[in-house]
Amino acid sequence: DAGVIQSPRHEVTEMGQEVTLRCKPISGHDYLFWYRQTMMRGLELLIYFNNNVPIDDSGMPEDRFSAKMPNASFSTLKIQPSEPRDSAVYFCASSLSANSPLHFGNGTRLTVT
Amino acid sequence: GENVEQHPSTLSVQEGDSAVIKCTYSDSASNYFPWYKQELGKRPQLIIDIRSNVGEKKDQRIAVTLNKTAKHFSLHITETQPEDSAVYFCAATLLNQGGKLIFGQGTELSVKP
Repeated sequence: DAGVIQSPRHEVTEMGQEVTLRCKPISGHDYLFWYRQTMMRGLELLIYFNNNVPIDDSGMPEDRFSAKMPNASFSTLKIQPSEPRDSAVYFCASSLSANSPLHFGNGTRLTVT
Repeated sequence: GENVEQHPSTLSVQEGDSAVIKCTYSDSASNYFPWYKQELGKRPQLIIDIRSNVGEKKDQRIAVTLNKTAKHFSLHITETQPEDSAVYFCAATLLNQGGKLIFGQGTELSVKP
C-alpha cells in the first residue's frame, strides 16, 4: 500500500484565494482525520470522519474552513477565503478503527501571503 | 473537555543516557495511548502504543508505562543515539467519542554525541 497520499505537498497562495487540500486514505481504513500543525499550537485536530461521515468538526477554526469526504477513498479540506494565519502544515491521517494506529500522510505545507 | 499535557517541551541528553517524556490526560475514558516520532520536515510516525488494559509495554530500547489511576503515561528511551533526536508526541484517544485522538504539545529531544 502507498500509504496516505496528500496533495499538493506545497501550496503558496495569496490572501483571499481559495485553497483545496486533498487526501487519499489507506484502502480499508474507516477513519480519516485532518490535523493542522504550527509551532505555536502543535498538532490540532480539525475534523474527523468515520465511514465518510463527519463525526466531530469542533476543531475547525471558523466558517472559512470546510471538509468533505464524498467516498471512502477521497477527502478534501477547503479554506475560503484564505488568510496569512492559516499558514501551517496540514496533515491527513487514517486508521483502521477507533482504537488503532494513525497513519499520517506527508502533509501539505500551506503558505498564505 | 479532553486535554493532553506533555512535559518537558525540550530535552537534551548525552548519547547513551536515558530519556523520559511524561504525559497526563484529563478524561478517564481514554483507553488508547500512542507515541509518535516526528523528524524535521517529515510526518509523525508511530513508535509504540499502549492500551488501557496494560501497564507497560516494551519494544527494544523503547518502553511505555501507563498509570490509569493517576491518568499519566510515560515514554522511556534507553541507550539513546543521535538518530533518536526528533520531536515526540504523546496522544490519547476517546473510544466513547468515536475515536477522537488528541495530541500533547510535543517534546523536542536532542541527543548529543
